[in-house]
Amino acid sequence: EDQVTQSPEALRLQEGESSSLNCSYTVSGLRGLFWYRQDPGKGPEFLFTLYSAGEEKEKERLKATLTKKESFLHITAPKPEDSATYLCAVRVAYGGATNKLIFGTGTLLAVQP
Amino acid sequence: GAVVSQHPSWVICKSGTSVKIECRSLDFQATTMFWYRQFPKQSLMLMATSNEGSKATYEQGVEKDKFLINHASLTLSTLTVTSAHPEDSSFYICSAGGDRSNQPQHFGDGTRLSIL
Repeated sequence: EDQVTQSPEALRLQEGESSSLNCSYTVSGLRGLFWYRQDPGKGPEFLFTLYSAGEEKEKERLKATLTKKESFLHITAPKPEDSATYLCAVRVAYGGATNKLIFGTGTLLAVQP
Repeated sequence: GAVVSQHPSWVICKSGTSVKIECRSLDFQATTMFWYRQFPKQSLMLMATSNEGSKATYEQGVEKDKFLINHASLTLSTLTVTSAHPEDSSFYICSAGGDRSNQPQHFGDGTRLSIL
């Protein structure tokens, strides 16, 4: 069964304190791993797509990496505005050529000034 | 970037009422849109895949007659919650894009549905 697990469930950091979020996955045929940010009461906002082991993507204070079994979202010197829930999702085949996303439960990040 | 608009953002109605939620892709065409449901402090659960010009594909356990989906054009999909009851109260989110290409799904801002 396709499964996505994120850890930790919640993380509290001081401003400037770097850390990493983990997303481990078990899927039969990975067609991409996605990171999203979700603010309260809003839909997820796209951050990164990773397709193959060893791939890395960066955007401002965020860096996403991918191995064959997991992905990490590294946050360097976070600011309070980085506080949000970070969601990981894997895209899998879904009948014919259509794909679907399976989401993890997310990591709630709080960055204190 | 790709923009998905969802309307309304918040609905409160009485039990037994039917509620329609619209999802529009504003700057691209989407042959496929997706409808998700999210409970407090939980992740997104796919309810159904909406296909333009054909029937929607529902996930296991999702009632087709309760959640009616219509995808009449390449930029609009609607979800109708029929005869809504308090247990249908939730946060409903749609997305578009990323079905067959290397592009990601882009999400609307969700609809908070509260059934009294």
